Amino acid sequence: GESVGLHLPTLSVQEGDNSIINCAYSNSASDYFIWYKQESGKGPQFIIDIRSNMDKRQGQRVTVLLNKTVKHLSLQIAATQPGDSAVYFCAEGYTGGFKTIFGAGTRLFVKA
Amino acid sequence: DGGITQSPKYLFRKEGQNVTLSCEQNLNHDAMYWYRQDPGQGLRLIYYSQIVNDFQKGDIAEGYSVSREKKESFPLTVTSAQKNPTAFYLCASSRLAGVTDTQYFGPGTRLTVL
Repeated sequence: GESVGLHLPTLSVQEGDNSIINCAYSNSASDYFIWYKQESGKGPQFIIDIRSNMDKRQGQRVTVLLNKTVKHLSLQIAATQPGDSAVYFCAEGYTGGFKTIFGAGTRLFVKA
Repeated sequence: DGGITQSPKYLFRKEGQNVTLSCEQNLNHDAMYWYRQDPGQGLRLIYYSQIVNDFQKGDIAEGYSVSREKKESFPLTVTSAQKNPTAFYLCASSRLAGVTDTQYFGPGTRLTVL
């Protein structure tokens, strides 16, 4: 596969358990946040987003939590499956801007 | 089958040569982007284009050039001036050029300088 993520933080979970991936964002002015999933050899894929006027948003098996006080974002994956194994990136930006700032990512391993 | 295609998947270049990476989208998106991805780092923006015949430098544009002559195409040239070109290059597009418009990524091109 690609060499993306060779030195990334790694989270290893058992299949069926819940996963929590954390991210600290850098810019207090950011008001829009996104989580992406990148499988080996592929481009990132949008998972879920959240605006700063919300603390929590749920999707299919995923939940994003936003804590603006400490500039922290988390992605929760329920009942983690082998297909969830990938690198997960958080990203931030502000409404009206053109540039999205990406974090370094976390590699998730799901053990069968 | 709609989406973004990048070619080639793997590319090898000798030092001192320019090389052009292809990016095509059939999503009818106005905005297109080029990112560079290195191990252990997030994506870094090289160039972006909000509309045909217009493009802007990103954070690491030095040693790269782009063109946007057609809505569906946004090729990236890695010139010999780029000091460390070996990386994974990702192209993306979005309906409009704004952070809140979801970006759709291509599969990437891995460039290796020999």
